[in-house]
Amino acid sequence: SQTIHQWPATLVQPVGSPLSLECTVEGTSNPNLYWYRQAAGRGLQLLFYSVGIGQISSEVPQNLSASRPQDRQFILSSKKLLLSDSGFYLCAFRTSGPRAGELFFGEGSRLTVL
Amino acid sequence: QQPVQSPQAVILREGEDAVINCSSSKALYSVHWYRQKHGEAPVFLMILLKGGEQKGHEKISASFNEKKQQSSLYLTASQLSYSGTYFCGTVRLGGSQGNLIFGKGTKLSVKP
Repeated sequence: SQTIHQWPATLVQPVGSPLSLECTVEGTSNPNLYWYRQAAGRGLQLLFYSVGIGQISSEVPQNLSASRPQDRQFILSSKKLLLSDSGFYLCAFRTSGPRAGELFFGEGSRLTVL
Repeated sequence: QQPVQSPQAVILREGEDAVINCSSSKALYSVHWYRQKHGEAPVFLMILLKGGEQKGHEKISASFNEKKQQSSLYLTASQLSYSGTYFCGTVRLGGSQGNLIFGKGTKLSVKP
């Protein structure tokens, strides 16, 4: 079966510190991968998507970056966090087959920047 | 590009019905609906494709009007378990990789 995991689940970081969130997918190959951020009052905002290893597209300008070093691994990073980076970060992948198009989300990572 | 959802919030008694609307200013290929419980990840409910609709979940159904670029989610005889925030996600015709762009959500609270 297809599963997705992301970590850490919760973290508190000072302004200016680096960030690394990881996401891995199992049970599928060559998935489309996504990073979304959920901040209060803004719904789910698409940050990055990837259609293959090393292929990253950004939907919004920011001080975050993403990388896909392996087919089923997606990493969200920052060199220096801002207060505005606080939020609930969700990794997701798109399924294939009869229900193609459905997004499966990971458990989420709640980031608080102080 | 973000679809607009209405209402922003709704409070129901168990057994009542509700409708959540989603509209886009762009031509759409598909509309997705998700429900999110507090502190959890969103869970897929259903997808409506251009040229048809798909009923995916219990007493929850949806419609998709391609010409008006609108979708509505219908919750019938609501149950306590229906509480949560509902998001519509839209895929534009000709959009990048079929990426989903979500609305701000509609918070639904079902009371006993």
